[in-house]
Amino acid sequence: AQSVTQPDIHITVSEGASLELRCNYSYGATPYLFWYVQSPGQGLQLLLKYFSGDTLVQGIKGFEAEFKRSQSSFNLRKPSVHWSDAAEYFCAVGHNMIKAAGNKLTFGGGTRVLVKP
Amino acid sequence: DVKVTQSSRYLVKRTGEKVFLECVQDMDHENMFWYRQDPGLGLRLIYFSYDVKMKEKGDIPEGYSVSREKKERFSLILESASTNQTSMYLCASSLWDRDYGYTFGSGTRLTVV
Repeated sequence: AQSVTQPDIHITVSEGASLELRCNYSYGATPYLFWYVQSPGQGLQLLLKYFSGDTLVQGIKGFEAEFKRSQSSFNLRKPSVHWSDAAEYFCAVGHNMIKAAGNKLTFGGGTRVLVKP
Repeated sequence: DVKVTQSSRYLVKRTGEKVFLECVQDMDHENMFWYRQDPGLGLRLIYFSYDVKMKEKGDIPEGYSVSREKKERFSLILESASTNQTSMYLCASSLWDRDYGYTFGSGTRLTVV
């Protein structure tokens, strides 16, 4: 069965420092990979997605992610963190690409990012 | 601006009550989903629907049911609420195509006492 692991529950980073969030997936076929962000009291917002092609994906808010098939990873990065990046981040893998089965996402447990001034 | 609207932001219900959580989307999306979110567990899929009157169980359907009578509305029903159903509930919708990002509602925080 497919699964997503985010090894870091919490990360604290100083404003202006770089950020990397780890994501490992388990999935038998070609994965469809996503990163979402959830600001306090809000729903989830899509940051970026990977389906195929270039393994380095650019997203919104200055985020990027790199797909590494050999490591089954899809880590999220940002070169310089802003205080507004404090949020919870979720990695997800998509599967069941059959219309009658819907397009389900399996989410990781999330990583909460705290930004120090 | 496209939206997924969940009818309640906060709900407090008593054990044994029947609870309805409502979700409406205005984007003509085929697919709709109900997830629950718990600390450290991320989002877990309860039920989803890929068409009107169609529903499929997700990973944790026990104690829940759903209804989709119209394309824009997807309801989650707790037949007899229990304290272990205290959680944040998130509704989402998406189109059927490969570019299938979800649009999420803001969530309903349900407390069962």
